[in-house]
Parts: sequence; C-alpha cells; structure tokens
Amino acid sequence: EDQVTQSPEALRLQEGESSSLNCSYTVSGLRGLFWYRQDPGKGPEFLFTLYSAGEEKEKERLKATLTKKESFLHITAPKPEDSATYLCAVQASTDYKLSFGAGTTVTVRA
Amino acid sequence: DAGVTQSPTHLIKTRGQQVTLRCSPKSGHDTVSWYQQALGQGPQFIFQYYEEEERQRGNFPDRFSGHQFPNYSSELNVNALLLGDSALYLCASSLDLGLVEETQYFGPGTRLLVL
Repeated sequence: EDQVTQSPEALRLQEGESSSLNCSYTVSGLRGLFWYRQDPGKGPEFLFTLYSAGEEKEKERLKATLTKKESFLHITAPKPEDSATYLCAVQASTDYKLSFGAGTTVTVRA
Repeated sequence: DAGVTQSPTHLIKTRGQQVTLRCSPKSGHDTVSWYQQALGQGPQFIFQYYEEEERQRGNFPDRFSGHQFPNYSSELNVNALLLGDSALYLCASSLDLGLVEETQYFGPGTRLLVL
C-alpha cells in the first residue's frame, strides 16, 4: 500500500520568509512524484513531476527536490498569493492512480 | 485550450438518492480518473476509465459506478447516498502514453452535500 505523509499540516509565513514543505513516501517502484497547489473550493493545479532521486524542478518562487524517501517543496521569498494547500502525490510503476498526502496549508501574511 | 470541465458545480441530495456527475477531459486527453476529497484531506482515488472501460478501481463500494463515452467524457454515478458521501468530487484527465508517466490535470470539482 502506497503511503504519503506531508508535514507540517499548516505553515504560517511572513511575506519574504522562505521555508520548506516535506513529503515522505513509501511506494513499490516510483513512476512519478507530483506536487499540486489547491486553492479553497477548487481543483488541484499541477505544479511539478519528479521521476528520480536527485532531480530538481523550479517554477517562479517554488523549487521541488526528490530523494529516495522524501520530496521537499521550497518556497523562496513567498508572497501572499502563494497562500494555498500544497498536495504531494505518488504514482507507483504498476499503477494508474495517484496516492495523495493530506496536504500542507500555507498562509503568507503581508 | 479548454481544460477539464465538470458539472454541476454544486449539488444537494438527501440520503438514499442517486446522483450523476459529469466530466469533460482536457482537449487531446483520452483517460479520465475520479477522486473523492473530504474536507481537510487529500483526494482519494475512486476509479479510472480508458477506452470506455474501468481499468483500475480504488477502495470504494459498488454504489460508485462510472462510464466513459466515445468522446472521452465521463460520468460518475453514486447510488443510495450516505451522509458520508458528502465531499468534493474531482475529475482528472490525462493522455495514455503506455509505460510513460501521465500527468493528471484536475477539473474544478463538484461539491456534493448529502442531507
């Protein structure tokens, strides 16, 4: 059974205060690890896919990294518009489904 | 380029009723997956449809059923609704590339409230 654990559950940041979100996972053969952003009452918005340990991807103030057991989403100098819930999901090599963590809710204060 | 669309946006039903939710995939996509998201939790996989067949199913009872049409759109049906079925129902579409990773793109969801 695939397992995804995200921490912390909630993160309150001051504008410009950089931080990192953690996603720990267990999966029998990783096909891909996905990061999504979700605003309240809306569907998840795709951010990144990571395939293998050591891989990194960046988009604006976000940077995602991957090891064999964890992924980190680094938020550099966040702005209030970065406030959202960030979801991590894994897809096993034998699966079509995504297995999600419960998410980290980030609030950035001006 | 139209993204994933879902209808209706909100729905209120009573226990025991049946509901049908609809999804149109992103242009060029041929695969549709359905997820249930309870408040404060991550999405839970219900099933995936490809070539009009259910090809993977999550841990949901038979009250949850679906269909995919030749134009790749899909429906999710839930029978004998329970209070616990209240959730945001998400549709995700992707393009089947065989053994290559397929990013799933999500629609805005349908909020179902069962009273």
